[in-house]
Amino acid sequence: GAVVSQHPSRVICKSGTSVKIECRSLDFQATTMFWYRQFPKQSLMLMATSNEGSKATYEQGVEKDKFLINHASLTLSTLTVTSAHPEDSSFYICSALRTSGPYEQYFGPGTRLTVT
Amino acid sequence: DAKTTQPNSMESNEEEPVHLPCNHSTISGTDYIHWYRQLPSQGPEYVIHGLTSNVNNRMASLAIAEDRKSSTLILHRATLRDAAVYYCILRDVETSYDKVIFGPGTSLSVIP
Repeated sequence: GAVVSQHPSRVICKSGTSVKIECRSLDFQATTMFWYRQFPKQSLMLMATSNEGSKATYEQGVEKDKFLINHASLTLSTLTVTSAHPEDSSFYICSALRTSGPYEQYFGPGTRLTVT
Repeated sequence: DAKTTQPNSMESNEEEPVHLPCNHSTISGTDYIHWYRQLPSQGPEYVIHGLTSNVNNRMASLAIAEDRKSSTLILHRATLRDAAVYYCILRDVETSYDKVIFGPGTSLSVIP
């Protein structure tokens, strides 16, 4: 099946610093990628839709200036958590929409962010 | 997307079949029924999807009620690796098909 990778798999940062998470579709091109956040014992919450070559679309309540999304190529989207705080500690998951062949979303393995 | 209702949790014995129910009484004609699962500390993975007819693949079977107001994901022989949260999601091909919006899902425990 299609593969989506994320880097890093886990990261620990200090409060006030910024962290960048990469999402790559390894064997298909994705004009659309999605970013989710998941807190312990909860379901995934969609944060934003990342569109190649254009601005991301954020879900209601998600601060676009805090969670910067860049989708500069057909295989790479990045999420930067700016001025991270302990409450931003979470499991961040991306997905990529494949539109050639099986039309389906494929999810990355997730990135565990811990802000100290 | 139309709402789905699933039990919070279920248990199964290893090597026995598992039937995971999902109710979607407000399903529309253009909603596809999708199932994803999330293993512990991993991203979700696609399991199966269908519109009206029952579907089978190497992972599972999907049984869809005639009125489409409910469906059942069938794991024919549960293994320990099947312990995961299973999400039943309706995706409208005409409007928001691209987004996957997750509900709470069913947490499946498999007992050795």
